[in-house]
Amino acid sequence: EAQVTQNPRYLITVTGKKLTVTCSQNMNHEYMSWYRQDPGLGLRQIYYSMNVEVTDKGDVPEGYKVSRKEKRNFPLILESPSPNQTSLYFCASSFSSGTGATYEQYFGPGTRLTVT
Amino acid sequence: DAKTTQPTSMDCAEGRAANLPCNHSTISGNEYVYWYRQIHSQGPQYIIHGLKNNETNEMASLIITEDRKSSTLILPHATLRDTAVYYCIGGSTLGRLYFGRGTQLTVWP
Repeated sequence: EAQVTQNPRYLITVTGKKLTVTCSQNMNHEYMSWYRQDPGLGLRQIYYSMNVEVTDKGDVPEGYKVSRKEKRNFPLILESPSPNQTSLYFCASSFSSGTGATYEQYFGPGTRLTVT
Repeated sequence: DAKTTQPTSMDCAEGRAANLPCNHSTISGNEYVYWYRQIHSQGPQYIIHGLKNNETNEMASLIITEDRKSSTLILPHATLRDTAVYYCIGGSTLGRLYFGRGTQLTVWP
């Protein structure tokens, strides 16, 4: 089954404790990205990757890191989480048009992160 | 990326057609209109996209006005499982989708 998986699905952590949220897709997509969703603010893109070893900032990259060493994986790293990073996080993937994602992006089920 | 305007909420009876409007008056000529939906707090789901012509797939139809300033998503026979927030997105930069507040569609039995 074609899918995007995220782990963990739920996480409660404390300020400053480094964490990684994994994202994996089995569709051989070149394009992957991370979004966060907050009440009243909608979904905002954090980082995206056009292909292996190619990443760039989205709209709200501060406090986050990413890496793309394999095509199927795109982990999101919070080196020193803070309470304002409490949010619902989504990973997405799609084929690439050469200048970005194609029209249909597949989203993962989400990771609900709480930082106390 | 075009700013879009959608009604905050809409209702629809089960089995009837749900027509969700969207205004995107600032959309440029080469920008697509995308529709996604999000059920509860699940990941958004792609529905359909279009540029100028009307489009139809197994989920919905998309009607785009000739001046491209607005569009309507049509779910021909709404079911309870179609209750969701529907997002109309005008254009994208490098694959970045700008989700607004969307329309909360509630399908009643």
